[in-house]
Amino acid sequence: GQNIDQPTEMTATEGAIVQINCTYQTSGFNGLFWYQQHAGEAPTFLSYNVLDGLEEKGRFSSFLSRSKGYSYLLLKELQMKDSASYLCAVSLWDNAGNMLTFGGGTRLMVKP
Amino acid sequence: GAVVSQHPSRVICKSGTSVKIECRSLDFQATTMFWYRQFPKKSLMLMATSNEGSKATYEQGVEKDKFLINHASLTLSTLTVTSAHPEDSSFYICSARLAGGGYNEQFFGPGTRLTVL
Repeated sequence: GQNIDQPTEMTATEGAIVQINCTYQTSGFNGLFWYQQHAGEAPTFLSYNVLDGLEEKGRFSSFLSRSKGYSYLLLKELQMKDSASYLCAVSLWDNAGNMLTFGGGTRLMVKP
Repeated sequence: GAVVSQHPSRVICKSGTSVKIECRSLDFQATTMFWYRQFPKKSLMLMATSNEGSKATYEQGVEKDKFLINHASLTLSTLTVTSAHPEDSSFYICSARLAGGGYNEQFFGPGTRLTVL
């Protein structure tokens, strides 16, 4: 089966840096996505990693180590609006292409 | 670009009725769409994969006779919750895969909140 683990909840202070980890054990791998989801809304795309290393995009960075089955999302200069759930999703190949399997999500609370 | 819409955004219905949810890719063609269900404070659970012109592929534990999926065109997939019951109350989200892109990213619709009384 597929297993994707991430912490359930995290709390951080406005202006700080927070790292959200994700570990996975899946049959097949075609990349890893991070999504942000505010309550009651659909997920929005943050990042995609398919090769090992760090991808930086503004205040958000994502890292992948395929050999370790490990990724993290790094959020810098935290803002109150960053309070949301962060979903780690592994892309797997199905018969028609790729499908996503989601971790349980990490609810991040940013405090003043 | 790559906008996905869902209709309706919210629906409240009586137990035993059927509810249809539409998912549309507005500015691209989607050969594959996905339907997810999300319970409060939980992550997205894939229900089924919808391929244009063929039968949907359902995940284990999802009743295909209860959750009818039709993908009649390259821009529209529908999910019908038949004989809905209170335990079907959930947030239903569709996504459409952008084929031919660098990594086949999925674009999500805004979701439909279903409440069954």
